[in-house]
Amino acid sequence: AQSVTQPDIHITVSEGASLELRCNYSYGATPYLFWYVQSPGQGLQLLLKYFSGDTLVQGIKGFEAEFKRSQSSFNLRKPSVHWSDAAEYFCAVAPISSGSARQLTFGSGTQLTVLP
Amino acid sequence: DTEVTQTPKHLVMGMTNKKSLKCEQHMGHRAMYWYKQKAKKPPELMFVYSYEKLSINESVPSRFSPECPNSSLLNLHLHALQPEDSALYLCASSPNTIGTEAFFGQGTRLTVV
Repeated sequence: AQSVTQPDIHITVSEGASLELRCNYSYGATPYLFWYVQSPGQGLQLLLKYFSGDTLVQGIKGFEAEFKRSQSSFNLRKPSVHWSDAAEYFCAVAPISSGSARQLTFGSGTQLTVLP
Repeated sequence: DTEVTQTPKHLVMGMTNKKSLKCEQHMGHRAMYWYKQKAKKPPELMFVYSYEKLSINESVPSRFSPECPNSSLLNLHLHALQPEDSALYLCASSPNTIGTEAFFGQGTRLTVV
């Protein structure tokens, strides 16, 4: 069965510092890969996605992620964190099959705290 | 319009009540989902509708009853819930096209008393 692991439950960084959130997946084949962000009590907003092609993908709010097939990883990065980036971050996977609905399997999430 | 709209935003209900959650999208998406999210946990898939037909039910108790009356609307009917059903209920939709993602609503915060 597919699974997603986010090994860091909580990360604290200072504003302006760089950020990397880790994500590893276990799947029969390379799935669709996503990073979503969730502010308290809110829905999920897509930051970026990977389906195929260039393994470095750019997203919104200055985020990027790199897909590494050999490591089954899809780590999220940002060069300079802003206080507004404090939120919960979820890595997610979905099976690749034509016409399939996007039933997502989520990692357990990483809570990001940003210090002034 | 790239929004998934959920109503109500907050709902408090007793264990003997019957209530419904509503989800609406006008993006022409033909797949719609219900997820349940407990505090400090990731969302968990409950139901998937594809072309207005229920395609996935993740062994959800029958006190939760989904309905998809048309391609834009998704309802979740609630009856005889338990306090442990208190959670954030998220609706999402996606087009059945390779290379696309799911769009989420803001959720309904449900409290069962």
